[in-house]
Amino acid sequence: NAGVMQNPRHLVRRRGQEARLRCSPMKGHSHVYWYRQLPEEGLKFMVYLQKENIIDESGMPKERFSAEFPKEGPSILRIQQVVRGDSAAYFCASSRGLAGNYEQYFGPGTRLTVT
Amino acid sequence: QQQVKQSPQSLIVQKGGISIINCAYENTAFDYFPWYQQFPGKGPALLIAIRPDVSEKKEGRFTISFNKSAKQFSLHIMDSQPGDSATYFCAVIIQGAQKLVFGQGTRLTINP
Repeated sequence: NAGVMQNPRHLVRRRGQEARLRCSPMKGHSHVYWYRQLPEEGLKFMVYLQKENIIDESGMPKERFSAEFPKEGPSILRIQQVVRGDSAAYFCASSRGLAGNYEQYFGPGTRLTVT
Repeated sequence: QQQVKQSPQSLIVQKGGISIINCAYENTAFDYFPWYQQFPGKGPALLIAIRPDVSEKKEGRFTISFNKSAKQFSLHIMDSQPGDSATYFCAVIIQGAQKLVFGQGTRLTINP
């Protein structure tokens, strides 16, 4: 039973380019979360999605960042016009979304470097 | 604002000793208290979790102690091993929400 899958594992972008990060949840999981981890810091919530719906985007920067979880295919976190401050590890987590079940399982992350 | 404060930032323990990491929270509406373990270059792995209606939960060498009145919970690792060397994060979830709010992390080193 495969865990949460993320790709690419490492991504290098020049300032001003776009970054697309992909996440496939665990089998049987329909809820996806994105978190960002800056160097030597804890993880910060960005966005929570179900299929075709954004449930909570309270942690997303107002500009340049967007996320989607289409009916078919992986969830995508998109960062437009990247800046050096976007360099971080981006983790996706998934859960079953059952009432009262809060267990979230994380993928290996995508390490974004902006040069 | 910082809703979860974790201490210490770093901890060195001898092999076979007990490692203790603490977290304090501010909001009484939190409903779920997990601990995650993260090795360098990897994603966080769910280690153990507790609900507020329980004061202690044990799984193998790992125990969570929960003090609702003091708004604190801690992770105890018994018989610590070099393979336990990692960064540990406590987290909370607010009632009715799904997002995890993490502590700042504790870098644990177990000396052989």
